[in-house]
Amino acid sequence: GENVEQHPSTLSVQEGDSAVIKCTYSDSASNYFPWYKQELGKRPQLIIDIRSNVGEKKDQRIAVTLNKTAKHFSLHITETQPEDSAVYFCAVMDTGRRALTFGSGTRLQVQP
Amino acid sequence: DAGITQSPRHKVTETGTPVTLRCHQTENHRYMYWYRQDPGHGLRLIHYSYGVKDTDKGEVSDGYSVSRSKTEDFLLTLESATSSQTSVYFCAISEVEGGTEAFFGQGTRLTVV
Repeated sequence: GENVEQHPSTLSVQEGDSAVIKCTYSDSASNYFPWYKQELGKRPQLIIDIRSNVGEKKDQRIAVTLNKTAKHFSLHITETQPEDSAVYFCAVMDTGRRALTFGSGTRLQVQP
Repeated sequence: DAGITQSPRHKVTETGTPVTLRCHQTENHRYMYWYRQDPGHGLRLIHYSYGVKDTDKGEVSDGYSVSRSKTEDFLLTLESATSSQTSVYFCAISEVEGGTEAFFGQGTRLTVV
């Protein structure tokens, strides 16, 4: 099955700074890469996703980049705000199981 | 939010007892999933379903079974609960195979004492 590694496990930034979270995966056939945000006590919710035919996607302050050759993708958050504080999960579609395999999560803390 | 509800939301049970968690959707999505969430492990797939009576194992399926007799319901059963199954359980649904958003339920916090 798919193996997804996510770094760092915790990240603390000052408000207004940028934050970058990185994930690597093992199956070169994978073609869908979503990012989820989970606030304390809440369900994970999709914030952005990218497919393998695209190298970069942006949505306001959030962007995701994908390097299929190196099998890694990253989440970039610019101009961070306190409400960005949450746990972020990367995920990869496991083409064998037809289900998402998740990274272990990154706890982002934005200091005001 | 997508129409997906889990029940119960919280449960405390004793070691060795059977427990069933329910996931109900009103979206008519084909795919349904059960994940468990534990600190340091993210979300790990227990079982999933790709249609009525069509289910398959995930990476942490030992000690769990599932059933899907209707499109809208996906049940997760712990045959004999153990303390290692104390966790938060999330159900998720997805419309098509691969490449689309998965929507999560609110989660069920299960404590096995």
